[in-house]
Amino acid sequence: DAKTTQPNSMESNEEEPVHLPCNHSTISGTDYIHWYRQLPSQGPEYVIHGLTSNVNNRMASLAIAEDRKSSTLILHRATLRDAAVYYCILLKTSYDKVIFGPGTSLSVIP
Amino acid sequence: DAGVIQSPRHEVTEMGQEVTLRCKPISGHDYLFWYRQTMMRGLELLIYFNNNVPIDDSGMPEDRFSAKMPNASFSTLKIQPSEPRDSAVYFCASRPREEYEQYFGPGTRLTVT
Repeated sequence: DAKTTQPNSMESNEEEPVHLPCNHSTISGTDYIHWYRQLPSQGPEYVIHGLTSNVNNRMASLAIAEDRKSSTLILHRATLRDAAVYYCILLKTSYDKVIFGPGTSLSVIP
Repeated sequence: DAGVIQSPRHEVTEMGQEVTLRCKPISGHDYLFWYRQTMMRGLELLIYFNNNVPIDDSGMPEDRFSAKMPNASFSTLKIQPSEPRDSAVYFCASRPREEYEQYFGPGTRLTVT
């Protein structure tokens, strides 16, 4: 199974953009790139997903490299509420099991 | 919509006792998942159901763990007998048939002393 690699932790200043990287060099052509996040003391929540094109929604943007071996989750203006663990996950279909890695712990500094 | 509902939110029990965790998925969702989260092992998928039928229980740690889904609006995860190493936060999640997004409940924090 294709795996993802993320930094263990990152810091950002409040109201600045945050770029969270994810490497997936063994990704296959049919793998979708998904992002979830887990706020402190809460269950994970879906953030965004994409296949090849960059994607935007109300929470974030997903930038996917042309060769699809890496992607970046972009939070345009970090708030204190964005402090969470962010997980990058690959799924072929909606029937695949979601396997969570250690993720990236994002700290937001006021 | 109330979202995925889990009960209890906190459970403290003694080793050897039976523990039952409960989950009510979002109405209309076909899939239900049970996860466990610990500092050491992170977030692990234990079992998932499709239309009330268990599909994959390969993540269930051992025979002390069992899960049921008697109808579309209710599922239980039972540990009998419980052990201190079962202490963790247990999450239930559900999702609709053709969507990727899973919706997680608030979790049950289990402490076994």
